[in-house]
This record gives sequence, C-alpha cells and structure tokens, in this order.
Amino acid sequence: AQTVTQSQPEMSVQEAETVTLSCTYDTSESNYYLFWYKQPPSRQMILVIRQEAYKQQNATENRFSVNFQKAAKSFSLKISDSQLGDTAMYFCAFMKRPDDKIIFGKGTRLHILP
Amino acid sequence: DAGVIQSPRHEVTEMGQEVTLRCKPISGHNSLFWYRQTMMRGLELLIYFNNNVPIDDSGMPEDRFSAKMPNASFSTLKIQPSEPRDSAVYFCASSFGGQGASDTQYFGPGTRLTVL
Repeated sequence: AQTVTQSQPEMSVQEAETVTLSCTYDTSESNYYLFWYKQPPSRQMILVIRQEAYKQQNATENRFSVNFQKAAKSFSLKISDSQLGDTAMYFCAFMKRPDDKIIFGKGTRLHILP
Repeated sequence: DAGVIQSPRHEVTEMGQEVTLRCKPISGHNSLFWYRQTMMRGLELLIYFNNNVPIDDSGMPEDRFSAKMPNASFSTLKIQPSEPRDSAVYFCASSFGGQGASDTQYFGPGTRLTVL
C-alpha cells in the first residue's frame, strides 16, 4: 500500500523568506502523480502544484516549486518570497495510475509571520 | 465558472437524526469524490463515482453511510442514524476522466457536520 509522510507537523517563517516543506512517499509503482494542496483557515482545499512521475523536470507555479527526487521518493515544496496569505495547512498527496484515488499525508501547518 | 458547490456549509444535528450532504460537481467533470476530514484521521476518501456509477466505496465507514449520484450534476452523502463520532468536515471533489485517466481533483468548500 502507498503511504505519504510529512515529517514536519508545523513550521513558522518570516514574511519574504523561502521555506521548504518535506514529503516522502512509499510506492512500488512507476506511474503516478504527486500533488501539493493548500488548506487556508477558510478550509477550502486548493491545488498548489502537480507533478507527473514520468516527467523529470520539476514543476513550478509562480513562487511555488517542487524538488522531485524519484529515486529517493521525495517530493518537497519550496515557497519563495513567502507572503502572509501563504499561511495554511499544506498536504502532500499521491495518486497511483491507473487508479483515481488520492492518498494524502497528515499535513504541515505553515505560519508566515509579519 | 463555478467550482464544486456543497450544501449546507454547516450542519448541527442530534444523535440519531438523518443527515444529508449535497454536492454539485464542476460542469463537465465526470468523476466525483467524497472525503471526510478529522483531526485524528486526516483526509479520508469515502467513495468515488465515475460517470454516475460508484467505483470504490471501500472507505465508507459502515452501513449508516450511503451515497448516491442520480445524475452528472448532483450527489448526496447520507448518514442515518448519525452519531457524535461522525462529526467532521466532509468534502466533495470532482475531476475529469476517471477509470485510470482522472485529471486533478478540485474540492468544494466542505460541510462542517456536528452531531451532538
């Protein structure tokens, strides 16, 4: 069975700093997707970034980028120039293909301090 | 373009009562997912549908829970009878694809259920 582990339950950084959230996963599959979702205090789940396992290039979305290390089964999220609005719970997630089910990690609560 | 719509946003009920949660997926999406989020267990998939057909309900906790998708634009999750341990936030999500071809899931705002 696949598992997703987020080893940092909570983090705090100053506004404008760069922060990296860690995620590791365990699978024997070769075809899968990885996601980072953000859940702000409003509790809405918002997709931040997506990575297909077959792509070697790391995905980026504006200030958000990932470091995808397939051999190490690591999928970290880097937030550059952090903003107060980035304060949220961040979930790492795994989807094995051809399944459609997503397995979520326990989350990392990120506080951006003014 | 409207996102996934869920109702009600908050529900407070007493133990033993029937609760019905509703979801309208994004137009054009053909896969629909129901999740439950609690502090203890995190986000759990309860059931998902593809083209209105239930594909995997292995996450449904027990017979008190049931879900239906009578058409492509509407789904319900029913709890009967409700118990205090059912208190949680219930999310609905939708995506396009399914059966091994699903794209990204987009989530609704959730329904916070409190069972007294």
